[in-house]
Amino acid sequence: DIQMTQSPSSLSASVGDRVTITCQATQDISNYLNWYQQKPGKAPKLLIYDASNLEIGVPSRFSGSGSGTDFTFTISSLQPEDLATYYCQQYIDLWTFGQGTKVEVK
Amino acid sequence: EVQLLESGGGLVRPGGSLRLSCAASGFTFNNYAMGWVRQAPGKGLEWVSTISASGGSTYDADSVKGRFTSSRDNSKNTLYLQMNSLRAEDTAVYYCARFWGAGKVMVTRFDYWGQGTLVTVSS
Repeated sequence: DIQMTQSPSSLSASVGDRVTITCQATQDISNYLNWYQQKPGKAPKLLIYDASNLEIGVPSRFSGSGSGTDFTFTISSLQPEDLATYYCQQYIDLWTFGQGTKVEVK
Repeated sequence: EVQLLESGGGLVRPGGSLRLSCAASGFTFNNYAMGWVRQAPGKGLEWVSTISASGGSTYDADSVKGRFTSSRDNSKNTLYLQMNSLRAEDTAVYYCARFWGAGKVMVTRFDYWGQGTLVTVSS
């Protein structure tokens, strides 16, 4: 089974800061990786698909990169509404989520 | 507008059974693979089950294999999750979600999610 490990588990940053989250797979998953945002009490929302493609309607401050086993999710300028937990998800072998990264806004 | 509405959650005793439903609207249901994802209280997301557009193929997480079964009635635009032999660790909010891409062979990402239904397994 493929395991996905996100780092850090949580972070706190100020409005306007650049925020980076990493996701590491236990084996090569090419670019078969998605990123989701889950705001408190809400269902998850797809932000990035196939490692680096921005879902329609998602602000351009969100971006993703990487391939193989190491991936990065970036918020270029953190906004108050970005308070959420972010998850990576692989789909090369069934479907597995990372454990999540909680982003708090100072 | 795509809508997914789960129902059927509630309190059940360990060893009991429950069937969740997910009513879909706003898209051609029989063209899309569907999935179930759960979230235990205060925990992360866990993929549970996937069913192909036709219903002919299903895939289940090891944690529920042999106990949970997903099915669908394309004439009723409804997805189901039959949960048997429930355990305390199955307590979670259960989301149904649509996989992106009508008619796609490879199912990759969840593009629409329901609001979730809470299942509590406790004596």
